[in-house]
Amino acid sequence: DTGVSQNPRHKITKRGQNVTFRCDPISEHNRLYWYRQTLGQGPEFLTYFQNEAQLEKSRLLSDRFSAERPKGSFSTLEIQRTEQGDSAMYLCASSRDSTTQPQHFGDGTRLSIL
Amino acid sequence: AQSVAQPEDQVNVAEGNPLTVKCTYSVSGNPYLFWYVQYPNRGLQFLLKYITGDNLVKGSYGFEAEFNKSQTSFHLKKPSALVSDSALYFCAVRDGGSYQLTFGKGTKLSVIP
Repeated sequence: DTGVSQNPRHKITKRGQNVTFRCDPISEHNRLYWYRQTLGQGPEFLTYFQNEAQLEKSRLLSDRFSAERPKGSFSTLEIQRTEQGDSAMYLCASSRDSTTQPQHFGDGTRLSIL
Repeated sequence: AQSVAQPEDQVNVAEGNPLTVKCTYSVSGNPYLFWYVQYPNRGLQFLLKYITGDNLVKGSYGFEAEFNKSQTSFHLKKPSALVSDSALYFCAVRDGGSYQLTFGKGTKLSVIP
């Protein structure tokens, strides 16, 4: 298995701009998750998909955030009108369709807002 | 609501000595517990899990963890620490009805040569 792939690894943008991140899960995993990690903290859950259906969303996922997973393969996370507080590492994870299986994480996209 | 506490921000241990990284949890149903390790500028790497069964679970790289239901703890252990074990360790929990993982704040492990 080739692992979870995230692109880009780093993104620097000006406040107010829109950004989009991509996640390619492990191929046989039908569940996909997005987390956000700020400095000195553990990852915080944002949302998750089973195939193409978005089944859970955290209150952290404000109206400026949108996630999609067309065709149940890769996923994108878009942040509109970025704010300073959006600066963080955005982590994607995937897992098999079982509650006993662990989530496997990508290396993340680090977002810096100028 | 589910939560995880990692009471130590940092743990220092000499190479070759045993190590313990502590974790306590709170969850409404049966806990599914996980340990992950994170190296600088990398994602989280899965080490081990407890779902059910034996209270002592073994994982990758010689790590093990002991589940204690009465103390709601899931401490990570290794009999002999290596310098390469130096990293950030996260404990995570979810109940059986959710796929959402809740993480602790992490414990920085430093193994001193």
